[in-house]
Amino acid sequence: AQSVAQPEDQVNVAEGNPLTVKCTYSVSGNPYLFWYVQYPNRGLQFLLKYITGDNLVKGSYGFEAEFNKSQTSFHLKKPSALVSDSALYFCAVREVIYNQGGKLIFGQGTELSVKP
Amino acid sequence: EAQVTQNPRYLITVTGKKLTVTCSQNMNHEYMSWYRQDPGLGLRQIYYSMNVEVTDKGDVPEGYKVSRKEKRNFPLILESPSPNQTSLYFCASSTITSAGSNEQFFGPGTRLTVL
Repeated sequence: AQSVAQPEDQVNVAEGNPLTVKCTYSVSGNPYLFWYVQYPNRGLQFLLKYITGDNLVKGSYGFEAEFNKSQTSFHLKKPSALVSDSALYFCAVREVIYNQGGKLIFGQGTELSVKP
Repeated sequence: EAQVTQNPRYLITVTGKKLTVTCSQNMNHEYMSWYRQDPGLGLRQIYYSMNVEVTDKGDVPEGYKVSRKEKRNFPLILESPSPNQTSLYFCASSTITSAGSNEQFFGPGTRLTVL
């Protein structure tokens, strides 16, 4: 069965410092991995995804994520946090099953708080 | 503007009174999905659809129905709502490749309260 874990409910970072939001996953085969961000009272917005290829994926708003197959992780990172990055972040995984795909599993979310 | 719309945005109802939450997308996406978001549980998939007349259960389908008669619309139906269905609901859509669905575009959410 597929699963996703975001081990931290909340991450606190000072503005200008690097940030990391952790995600680990479990699938039987190859994964599609996604990060989404949710600002207050808004729907989720896509940040970035890993499908195949380079393990370092770059996305929107200066975010990037590193796929680590041996550790089954897909941590979200940003070199220098902004106060405006404060939001709820979700990691999601889908197992690659050709012509059968569709079920997406989300982690429970990590609240990122960036203080000035 | 490319978007996913949901209606209503807020709904307070009583136990047992049938309701429908509409979802529509204007991006010609094949894939559509419904999620519920609950504190500490993240988003859980209720139902999804790979194309017109093709729907399948997600992780928490009990108490919900969906239909996909047209490509753009994917309504969520609660035949007999109960208080444990009080939640924030999101509709999403995406394109599909041979390997499955791509990144999803989400609607603004529907906050449902069942008394």
